[in-house]
Amino acid sequence: AQTVTQSQPEMSVQEAETVTLSCTYDTSESDYYLFWYKQPPSRQMILVIRQEAYKQQNATENRFSVNFQKAAKSFSLKISDSQLGDAAMYFCAYRSAFGNNDMRFGAGTRLTVKP
Amino acid sequence: ETGVTQTPRHLVMGMTNKKSLKCEQHLGHNAMYWYKQSAKKPLELMFVYSLEERVENNSVPSRFSPECPNSSHLFLHLHTLQPEDSALYLCASSQDRPSYNEQFFGPGTRLTVL
Repeated sequence: AQTVTQSQPEMSVQEAETVTLSCTYDTSESDYYLFWYKQPPSRQMILVIRQEAYKQQNATENRFSVNFQKAAKSFSLKISDSQLGDAAMYFCAYRSAFGNNDMRFGAGTRLTVKP
Repeated sequence: ETGVTQTPRHLVMGMTNKKSLKCEQHLGHNAMYWYKQSAKKPLELMFVYSLEERVENNSVPSRFSPECPNSSHLFLHLHTLQPEDSALYLCASSQDRPSYNEQFFGPGTRLTVL
């Protein structure tokens, strides 16, 4: 079964600085999708960015970008110019391109942004 | 707020009670999900309904019973729960295919079992 590991339970960044959140996953499949979700305190979880495994180009969404290393099974999230509103739990998730609807999540990284 | 709502937002129940969690999506999706979120643990997928049929239950204890009467509504019926079932229960919805479709989450129900 696929597993997703986020090795950083907590991270901290100074406002306007850059931070990178780590995620690794384990799979034997060749085609899949990777996601980063953000869960602000007491608010709903929302999608930040997604990556299709067959695309070599790293996905970017404004200040958010990923470093997708397929061979290393690594999918890190970089947040540039950090803002106070970026403070949240960040979850990395994996979903197979085949078969079931199962989305596997990591345990999350709590990001604190210091003013 | 996204187009997925959950009620109640908070629930405290005893181990002998019976209660139900409700989820409603207004996004026209055809798949709905129940997740359990416990502190410092990955989200655990409990149930998936696609086109109103249950496709996975991931070995969830029978004290949790899902119901999906139509594509917009999803329930989680609870009975004789244990204190370790205390958690945030999240509902989500999506278009079933393709797989890169994101899931939209509700705000969750914070459940405390005494």
